[in-house]
Amino acid sequence: DAEITQSPRHKITETGRQVTLACHQTWNHNNMFWYRQDLGHGLRLIHYSYGVHDTNKGEVSDGYSVSRSNTEDLPLTLESAASSQTSVYFCASSPGQQPYEQYFGPGTRLTVT
Amino acid sequence: GENVEQHPSTLSVQEGDSAVIKCTYSDSASNYFPWYKQELGKGPQLIIDIRSNVGEKKDQRIAVTLNKTAKHFSLHITETQPEDSAVYFCAASGGSSNTGKLIFGQGTTLQVKP
Repeated sequence: DAEITQSPRHKITETGRQVTLACHQTWNHNNMFWYRQDLGHGLRLIHYSYGVHDTNKGEVSDGYSVSRSNTEDLPLTLESAASSQTSVYFCASSPGQQPYEQYFGPGTRLTVT
Repeated sequence: GENVEQHPSTLSVQEGDSAVIKCTYSDSASNYFPWYKQELGKGPQLIIDIRSNVGEKKDQRIAVTLNKTAKHFSLHITETQPEDSAVYFCAASGGSSNTGKLIFGQGTTLQVKP
């Protein structure tokens, strides 16, 4: 069955380190998204991509980057991890045309100490 | 850009009662309104959605209503069961930018007491 996976599921890192969170989908979806989830803020969009080599900033993109070298993967990189980036991160994908339903991965819990 | 407000932030009901969660949106061009359920430790999962050409949609115990004039939409869960306990998110999409992004509300934690 097609699916969307994230790895690792849990990560503890130190302030200042570079961290990469993986997202992989097997639906062949054009659109992929990264969100962070924090209490009181719901799901906030970090970066998104509409296809290979396309990337766009979301509402909370500072300190994060993404690259899209193929359809299946959109890794999220924290260039220099900060304690404010402690959060749960979700990846999602959608086919790329209306009605824009998004399918979410299981999430990665990141702790920056 | 689009802004989505969701209320209440927490909701506690007795098993068998109904639960209603409300959302308002700001972009009158938005045309797709999904609802997601998130269980503890899992990613959000779509439970029902509605498009702007429809006023109401039902799926067993779950229904969603849309008032385009007032720019609000609601999730109704009838005959609630303990397994309905979760965090629910509303979202809006297809607005002026029409880019496929979903703008989410802040979430509602629903607790169904046995």
